[in-house]
Amino acid sequence: DAGITQSPRYKITETGRQVTLMCHQTWSHSYMFWYRQDLGHGLRLIYYSAAADITDKGEVPDGYVVSRSKTENFPLTLESATRSQTSVYFCASSDGGVAGKNIQYFGAGTRLSVL
Amino acid sequence: GEDVEQSLFLSVREGDSSVINCTYTDSSSTYLYWYKQEPGAGLQLLTYIFSNMDMKQDQRLTVLLNKKDKHLSLRIADTQTGDSAIYFCAEIGRGATNKLIFGTGTLLAVQP
Repeated sequence: DAGITQSPRYKITETGRQVTLMCHQTWSHSYMFWYRQDLGHGLRLIYYSAAADITDKGEVPDGYVVSRSKTENFPLTLESATRSQTSVYFCASSDGGVAGKNIQYFGAGTRLSVL
Repeated sequence: GEDVEQSLFLSVREGDSSVINCTYTDSSSTYLYWYKQEPGAGLQLLTYIFSNMDMKQDQRLTVLLNKKDKHLSLRIADTQTGDSAIYFCAEIGRGATNKLIFGTGTLLAVQP
């Protein structure tokens, strides 16, 4: 399907386990982003990527790892999950902004619970 | 620092107008955005405004931009129950990173 898809939609895991959230986009957008959404905090940027093999930290990167070996995929890994990482995670992509417009397109989200 | 602020909650009756307010920090932002998040879904772009405009109208939506006060508002005319959602304003982050800085979101509850 065209667009941006995240998997899984729901995930329950235990503290200390490694978890990988997947994100795939079919537009060949150069930019991709990972956010977490928590009550009272809105959306906070975890990591972003400007192109394949180029990634950079956002506002809350600790405890997370990303990679971008292919333009269309941007997986997010929690190396050792903690309860504070219980959240809803959103992936987004952007073409970088025609004339600076920088519209981001979001996936449906992954709801992660760490027990 | 970069901070975008919104009120957390707004309740209106069906058919009334809704006005959601936002204050942003970076006066050099070229575009400002409104996103809508329906329950259980991701964010969808609702509308955006270029910084050299004061107002933009799109059907039931009116965006007002006051650059002097760094204030952005979204007015929804004839609010419907389907407009119930969380609304986020966003500005472009500083530097050439294409990051967006989102507000905390305003939950709009429309009473029938």
